[in-house]
Amino acid sequence: NAGVTQTPKFQVLKTGQSMTLQCAQDMNHEYMSWYRQDPGMGLRLIHYSVGAGITDQGEVPNGYNVSRSTTEDFPLRLLSAAPSQTSVYFCASSYRNEAFFGQGTRLTVV
Amino acid sequence: AQSVTQPDIHITVSEGASLELRCNYSYGATPYLFWYVQSPGQGLQLLLKYFSGDTLVQGIKGFEAEFKRSQSSFNLRKPSVHWSDAAEYFCAVGDGSGYSTLTFGKGTMLLVSP
Repeated sequence: NAGVTQTPKFQVLKTGQSMTLQCAQDMNHEYMSWYRQDPGMGLRLIHYSVGAGITDQGEVPNGYNVSRSTTEDFPLRLLSAAPSQTSVYFCASSYRNEAFFGQGTRLTVV
Repeated sequence: AQSVTQPDIHITVSEGASLELRCNYSYGATPYLFWYVQSPGQGLQLLLKYFSGDTLVQGIKGFEAEFKRSQSSFNLRKPSVHWSDAAEYFCAVGDGSGYSTLTFGKGTMLLVSP
């Protein structure tokens, strides 16, 4: 049982580049979410989805896009990366109020 | 809006000593409360959770937490700390919507001294 899988684990981008962080879950959970973790800030919610075709913004959505075409996948897109988006990104899927996290993607924007 | 405060950024505990990590929350209704642990470079592992019922919750790795509604607290405890417990600990509150949009505290880094 793979749970929540995030790819890549590490990524370095140049300012202005675009990329997609992938997140896939095999637990058939309707709810998925993206968080970013910065030192001294804990985890902050970027976007979330309550099912295929439905997404909404969290606390820090600016600079990020999401879509949810299938139950399994919830990619996070950075259209024009900025140094302020250097962070560790966690994807989670949830069931009955319990969240299951992926191992994270460490992104550096130079 | 819900919020979580972890007053201690760092705590150092001697191996074998007891541990208490503090967590205070702000939420209008009955909260769904969680403690997660994160080892360096790793993801988050759920230690324990409180949804309802008994206010003393047992978790994995010998941890427990007590929900005190009157104090808006959900402190994490362990009677005897092991060196392998050194990690960062996060308290979180869920909105109870059934989907668990979580609000996290800023974390407490636990250091264990020999």
